[in-house]
Amino acid sequence: GAVVSQHPSRVICKSGTSVKIECRSLDFQATTMFWYRQFPKQSLMLMATSNEGSKATYEQGVEKDKFLINHASLTLSTLTVTSAHPEDSSFYICSVKRGTDTQYFGPGTRLTVL
Amino acid sequence: KNEVEQSPQNLTAQEGEFITINCSYSVGISALHWLQQHPGGGIVSLFMLSSGKKKHGRLIATINIQEKHSSLHITASHPRDSAVYICAVSTGNQFYFGTGTSLTVIP
Repeated sequence: GAVVSQHPSRVICKSGTSVKIECRSLDFQATTMFWYRQFPKQSLMLMATSNEGSKATYEQGVEKDKFLINHASLTLSTLTVTSAHPEDSSFYICSVKRGTDTQYFGPGTRLTVL
Repeated sequence: KNEVEQSPQNLTAQEGEFITINCSYSVGISALHWLQQHPGGGIVSLFMLSSGKKKHGRLIATINIQEKHSSLHITASHPRDSAVYICAVSTGNQFYFGTGTSLTVIP
């Protein structure tokens, strides 16, 4: 069965609104969660690394005030795209890691900003 | 059965050896990705391909759409190639990930 879930799987929103994407670790408590995005016809790109109880570490070029990450518990991390614009339309994927174990990926959330 | 199957799960090689990691998938895809993860790190995207073959340095990725199969080759392997290699496919609506191949290259 699935180890990681994401909600919603697809979301369409108007420009200027904020969208929250949830990532849940279903089978274990995840010490670390990662957020990725994939623009059309491009490879996956790491956005940020999130450790429970501490601030996320953002990759260079990713605006932390625009992409708010909250790792509220060991099983839940949320990514909020604030004031979304059409250029934010992308596939957003989370992954979870327990200790030094392998990563488990969520199925992704397709965001379309009109 | 997983939508994406990788083999082998674990691989140990001597420095300099030619390495092949295989990926088979069962869904219709828009693209296939090869990803690399070093211990303690996030994922790095190595290749994205939807047909044919791509080469970057010592890494070569091939895909056969008809057979739903892809291979990642590493020529003249080096200890710094030691990592987990993950095959992922995108259908346009969803991603499916293989469980990864853990590669150790011994000096």
